[in-house]
Amino acid sequence: AQKVTQAQTEISVVEKEDVTLDCVYETRDTTYYLFWYKQPPSGELVFLIRRNSFDEQNEISGRYSWNFQKSTSSFNFTITASQVVDSAVYFCALSEEAGGGNKLTFGTGTQLKVEL
Amino acid sequence: KAGVTQTPRYLIKTRGQQVTLSCSPISGHRSVSWYQQTPGQGLQFLFEYFSETQRNKGNFPGRFSGRQFSNSRSEMNVSTLELGDSALYLCASKRTTGTGGQRETQYFGPGTRLLVL
Repeated sequence: AQKVTQAQTEISVVEKEDVTLDCVYETRDTTYYLFWYKQPPSGELVFLIRRNSFDEQNEISGRYSWNFQKSTSSFNFTITASQVVDSAVYFCALSEEAGGGNKLTFGTGTQLKVEL
Repeated sequence: KAGVTQTPRYLIKTRGQQVTLSCSPISGHRSVSWYQQTPGQGLQFLFEYFSETQRNKGNFPGRFSGRQFSNSRSEMNVSTLELGDSALYLCASKRTTGTGGQRETQYFGPGTRLLVL
């Protein structure tokens, strides 16, 4: 069975600090997809990034960067120079190739608070 | 392009009643999935519809049901509401043309907040 673990329940940082959100996943499938979503107080889940299991190239997009390591089953997300607007709950999610359908398995989320 | 829309945004019901929530996917998207979010259980998959057929179902009782129309709009229904059904219900759509849809991204709507008293 697939599982996603986000061990950090809440993180508080001061604006302009860098912050890394951890995600560890479990799957028996060799082909799978990993996602990060952001949920601001309004409730809508905002898509941030998708990674395929066969593509371990890490990516940087503006202040965001992602570190995918299959050897440790981790898919961590870093915000550089955090801003107050980054305050939200961040979810890591997993979708397997097998089993059909479009089920996303989510972690429990990490509440990020960025203060002035 | 308009995003996923959900109606109503807020709803208050009493135990024993039933409720119907609506979701309109992004134009051109044919797959619609529903998720329940609660403080205790987090985000949990309810079911997914594609081409008016339920393709996948989560571990929820039969009180939770859904359907999809020919225009890809979807509704979910919860009968005999319980206090524990209070949650944020999120709908997501993706383009997918059939199998292999796992690699595509689901885009979420703003959700419907249901409070059961």
